[in-house]
Amino acid sequence: DTGVSQNPRHKITKRGQNVTFRCDPISEHNRLYWYRQTLGQGPEFLTYFQNEAQLEKSRLLSDRFSAERPKGSFSTLEIQRTEQGDSAMYLCASSPRTGWGSNEQFFGPGTRLTVL
Amino acid sequence: KQEVTQIPAALSVPEGENLVLNCSFTDSAIYNLQWFRQDPGKGLTSLLLIQSSQREQTSGRLNASLDKSSGRSTLYIAASQPGDSATYLCAVRPGTGANNLFFGTGTRLTVIP
Repeated sequence: DTGVSQNPRHKITKRGQNVTFRCDPISEHNRLYWYRQTLGQGPEFLTYFQNEAQLEKSRLLSDRFSAERPKGSFSTLEIQRTEQGDSAMYLCASSPRTGWGSNEQFFGPGTRLTVL
Repeated sequence: KQEVTQIPAALSVPEGENLVLNCSFTDSAIYNLQWFRQDPGKGLTSLLLIQSSQREQTSGRLNASLDKSSGRSTLYIAASQPGDSATYLCAVRPGTGANNLFFGTGTRLTVIP
């Protein structure tokens, strides 16, 4: 499968715990995006990377959230001291900088987080 | 801030019917507009992308139109099938060059066999 992959697909944690999600973009896509989607809502933008540089961050990305893309390939999203309000689907997307598909974002299957 | 609205929130149609989903956005200065499909508990599948300079795009039974000046897009689905049942989301990319997408809340479509 050459699409965007995300792991884990589901995560259940207790309030106050830290969690980390991983996203592997489509090979050679140098742009990577994270979104959060709560039940019944559309996805909301969290952050954007071009290669290893984090170029855009939403105000939704509080200081408990941190995202990295150390080698410009896979990315991780960490949430510290989770709260029940963090329960959501976390979606990752990627796109190439140029060429076919450069104007589209291709989404992964998401990681569903439940905070008890 | 860009606001994207989708009407109706839910739609139920008998199989074979043609249907139209609506999307409106408040800031007409967009770079492009993308329609997605989302099955329950799944990620998003891109259906059609319309650049700001385009009026419509077609893929199979799907046709999307864009009227940028009035802040509207429609997704037309011809000869609907039960397999079309899903939530359909529209998203706009700002014309400022920002890379984020602004999404609507979606239309949940059910096609009854």
